[in-house]
Amino acid sequence: DTAVSQTPKYLVTQMGNDKSIKCEQNLGHDTMYWYKQDSKKFLKIMFSYNNKELIINETVPNRFSPKSPDKAHLNLHINSLELGDSAVYFCASSQEGGTGANVLTFGAGSRLTVL
Amino acid sequence: GQNIDQPTEMTATEGAIVQINCTYQTSGFNGLFWYQQHAGEAPTFLSYNVLDGLEEKGRFSSFLSRSKGYSYLLLKELQMKDSASYLCAVMDSNYQLIWGAGTKLIIKP
Repeated sequence: DTAVSQTPKYLVTQMGNDKSIKCEQNLGHDTMYWYKQDSKKFLKIMFSYNNKELIINETVPNRFSPKSPDKAHLNLHINSLELGDSAVYFCASSQEGGTGANVLTFGAGSRLTVL
Repeated sequence: GQNIDQPTEMTATEGAIVQINCTYQTSGFNGLFWYQQHAGEAPTFLSYNVLDGLEEKGRFSSFLSRSKGYSYLLLKELQMKDSASYLCAVMDSNYQLIWGAGTKLIIKP
């Protein structure tokens, strides 16, 4: 199936731990994104990568770091987890960034709970 | 600042018509998107408007007025499966997507 797949779907961990969420797309898209959706349901862009180059880096804490080994993968690493990091993290991809008709295809989401 | 406003929640009856409004104030405009998000699932693309007017796609239509900073999503012949959140998003002059908080639509039999 052509899709954006991310793992794990659920992640429960303790404060202070380090965790990673993986994302892969087989759509041949050029740009990948990480979004955070909090309890108020706002989708907030965290990072996007275009051909392995970071093109958006919103004001997220530097505990969050994206890593893209190739244009089909964009992983999210989070260090020293805090309670406020609890949210659903969505990976997405699009054919190309920087254009108007930029339709995003989202992964199923990874629900992170920090205890 | 940039802002997207849409109602938090709406209720409608199966078989009826509902209109979900979205108003925006952004730095520039490169198009407006509507996405559907079922509870616990990923958002999925519904429509894209960049010119004024109505775009129809089956039971769903989306309207845009750039001069008014206004869009609506019209859902006809509502079905129970249409119960979901509907997210309005605007692409600004830097081609960044600005998202609304979504409208939770509840369909009653």
